[in-house]
Amino acid sequence: NAGVTQTPKFQVLKTGQSMTLQCAQDMNHEYMSWYRQDPGMGLRLIHYSVGAGITDQGEVPNGYNVSRSTTEDFPLRLLSAAPSQTSVYFCATGQGDYGYTFGSGTRLTVV
Amino acid sequence: AQSVTQPDIHITVSEGASLELRCNYSYGATPYLFWYVQSPGQGLQLLLKYFSGDTLVQGIKGFEAEFKRSQSSFNLRKPSVHWSDAAEYFCARSTNAGKSTFGDGTTLTVKP
Repeated sequence: NAGVTQTPKFQVLKTGQSMTLQCAQDMNHEYMSWYRQDPGMGLRLIHYSVGAGITDQGEVPNGYNVSRSTTEDFPLRLLSAAPSQTSVYFCATGQGDYGYTFGSGTRLTVV
Repeated sequence: AQSVTQPDIHITVSEGASLELRCNYSYGATPYLFWYVQSPGQGLQLLLKYFSGDTLVQGIKGFEAEFKRSQSSFNLRKPSVHWSDAAEYFCARSTNAGKSTFGDGTTLTVKP
């Protein structure tokens, strides 16, 4: 039982490149979310999903796309990377109101 | 919009001393409140949660939190801190649609 798996763990991109951060869960949770964590700013919600085929924007969605074609996977796409997207990205899953289970994060640097 | 405030950015306590981390939330009909802990380089781990009922909730690692509606607070406490408790702590509030808002975090340092 892997829980929430995020790949890659580290990534360096050049400005303008695109990439996809992967998130997979094996807990059959309804909810999946992407957060970014920046020093002194806590976690900010990028996009979230309450089930397969349903996604919505969070607090800071610009520059990111998501889709949820299956319960298990919730990839986050950076369309054209910018230095402002340098951050640590966390995927989180949840069921009902029982709190989140977090992945171990992806540390992204855009140069 | 719902918000969560953690007034203390950094707290230092001596090992064995008691701990209280503060959390205030914006007004809402039914607050679903959580505390998470994050060790360096790791994801967040759920410590405890409050939905309804008893206002004092027990969590893992010897932590507890008390919900006070009149003060819009959900403070985290531990009677005796261990060196391994040094970490960053986040308070969060959730809607019932799986969407959580987090505070900015409190970093706990434990002195020997």
